[in-house]
Amino acid sequence: DAGITQSPRHKVTETGTPVTLRCHQTENHRYMYWYRQDPGHGLRLIHYSYGVKDTDKGEVSDGYSVSRSKTEDFLLTLESATSSQTSVYFCAISESRSEAFFGQGTRLTVV
Amino acid sequence: AQSVTQPDIHITVSEGASLELRCNYSYGATPYLFWYVQSPGQGLQLLLKYFSGDTLVQGIKGFEAEFKRSQSSFNLRKPSVHWSDAAEYFCAVGHFMEYGNKLVFGAGTILRVKS
Repeated sequence: DAGITQSPRHKVTETGTPVTLRCHQTENHRYMYWYRQDPGHGLRLIHYSYGVKDTDKGEVSDGYSVSRSKTEDFLLTLESATSSQTSVYFCAISESRSEAFFGQGTRLTVV
Repeated sequence: AQSVTQPDIHITVSEGASLELRCNYSYGATPYLFWYVQSPGQGLQLLLKYFSGDTLVQGIKGFEAEFKRSQSSFNLRKPSVHWSDAAEYFCAVGHFMEYGNKLVFGAGTILRVKS
């Protein structure tokens, strides 16, 4: 497996609370991504980063923010969690014009 | 906008039988195409990719896929399925930009293998 660590792996949180998911890579890849996976939808891109402090929105970015202060770390924050954000979240990394490598995922349940 | 369609949500095949998983894409330029596999509770593993050149690409675990531009398809095949191939399979099209690579995924096909 590519050197990608997601934490936590599982989390249950209450509606309205903030939640931060962390992705850490040891591959020194330039690009990092956050996807969410929901049945019937495959994976959908939330946000991505093309360098330290350089981020952009994906197709399902509402309600999420990200930060990348170091090459190796990419944080995904749900400012105020809602039940619709219950999902499995995957971090991925890539180099330019190449395939993406995925972490093991974080299962988030918002109750 | 790019899109990927995997027409089959579930497929069941007998162990030892051949397999074909369908994937159709919509993309305005030369596509970069991928197949990933996901076992339960795991992340996604790359099976194979097509960037250019030979339209028949070989991947890991005995899988292959054929790119057909005229049909906008990138179907995954395996001549003889093993029980360990039971998993969910995702086709994706890549949009490579200056500031990142965006992958658009299909909804996935769940493969069941019966003995």
